[in-house]
Amino acid sequence: DVQMTQSPSYLAASPGESVSISCKASKSISNNLAWYQEKPGKANKLLIHSGSTLQSGTPSRFSGSGSGTDFTLTIRSLESEDFAVYYCQQYNEYPPTFGAGTKLELK
Amino acid sequence: EVQLVESGGGLVQPGRSLKLSCAASGFTFSNYYMAWVRQAPTKGLEWVAYISTGGGSTYYRDSVKGRFTISRDNAKSTLYLQMDSLRSEDTATYYCTTTRVYPYVMDAWGQGASVTVSS
Repeated sequence: DVQMTQSPSYLAASPGESVSISCKASKSISNNLAWYQEKPGKANKLLIHSGSTLQSGTPSRFSGSGSGTDFTLTIRSLESEDFAVYYCQQYNEYPPTFGAGTKLELK
Repeated sequence: EVQLVESGGGLVQPGRSLKLSCAASGFTFSNYYMAWVRQAPTKGLEWVAYISTGGGSTYYRDSVKGRFTISRDNAKSTLYLQMDSLRSEDTATYYCTTTRVYPYVMDAWGQGASVTVSS
């Protein structure tokens, strides 16, 4: 299985700041990578697929980049609603696999 | 608006069975592959099973193959997960998901059904 390694595991930031989350695949996955947001009491949300394509409804302050093995999720000008857990997931190979998650906390 | 509502979770003894259901609405259920994803307590997300539009093709992660069965009733817009020979490591919240954007991309999620396997 393709191993997905996210870093950091925890990230503390303040509203208005920009943050980046890294996701590395154990082998090339082309651009077949998605990012998800998990918040307590809410359904998980698909933010980005195909490495950089924003899903409908995802605010433009979110962006994804990368291809091959290295990917980044960037959130510009953090808003209070962005504090959550973020997961990357590869779907280039079966079975699809997720990263362990990055918890973005309020500083 | 897409809605996915899971039901059927609960506490079950090791070796016993449980069947989860997911009622879907807000989209044409029969047109899309569907999947189950789980999350064990304090752990990350793990894909479990996947089913084609008509139900004729199914896919499972190795650890549940032969024990879990994914199925669907398109007339009722409902997805199922029959879980047999349950083990303690199956303890998790199980999420029903749609895959309308791309195969294995989970574009909508339910709130989850909690399954605890314990004696």
